[in-house]
Amino acid sequence: DTEVTQTPKHLVMGMTNKKSLKCEQHMGHRAMYWYKQKAKKPPELMFVYSYEKLSINESVPSRFSPECPNSSLLNLHLHALQPEDSALYLCASSPYEGKTYEQYFGPGTRLTVT
Amino acid sequence: AQTVTQSQPEMSVQEAETVTLSCTYDTSESDYYLFWYKQPPSRQMILVIRQEAYKQQNATENRFSVNFQKAAKSFSLKISDSQLGDAAMYFCAYRRIWGAQKLVFGQGTRLTINP
Repeated sequence: DTEVTQTPKHLVMGMTNKKSLKCEQHMGHRAMYWYKQKAKKPPELMFVYSYEKLSINESVPSRFSPECPNSSLLNLHLHALQPEDSALYLCASSPYEGKTYEQYFGPGTRLTVT
Repeated sequence: AQTVTQSQPEMSVQEAETVTLSCTYDTSESDYYLFWYKQPPSRQMILVIRQEAYKQQNATENRFSVNFQKAAKSFSLKISDSQLGDAAMYFCAYRRIWGAQKLVFGQGTRLTINP
């Protein structure tokens, strides 16, 4: 199983709402990532979790709150978002031990903030 | 800081022909990974090919091959016998060797396949 799953596929939320994005992998990967991708742009890294601990935060605003409850699951909690936060949110995972290789990406969640 | 540059925002090729996508990068490190990712309109990012910088041999995956020129910091992707399913945005990416590290992406090249 080389699949990263993300739910929901689409999400529309108001600026006062609280919502969460979910990402799951069962490949035994110990590194998981959140990326934000605007249309026709490359993905931008937001957060990296290594062994369920936050290892990289790319100066993301606090209205985005990541969580890694276990080695297979990664959440992104959203609160008080702005319209400019509308984007495709991609989750990825990769092995961690030794020399690591590629990141496996999920299909993404298309977020629209109204 | 590492940077990745893709100088071709858009490319097009006739079906069954060969096309080469360009990528250059900048780094002060001697060991690293380079990748080409494909993102079709359905949006899931898929790894096409990877190259380890310490390997001189160019990577090949079926119809996809790279021309890795380490001294020139160049990493181009050649797609042979182009197929309609190759139409996508292609991103070149750089990554340091060890541990969980960020991918540094180029701006992407949109490839169109003409039937």
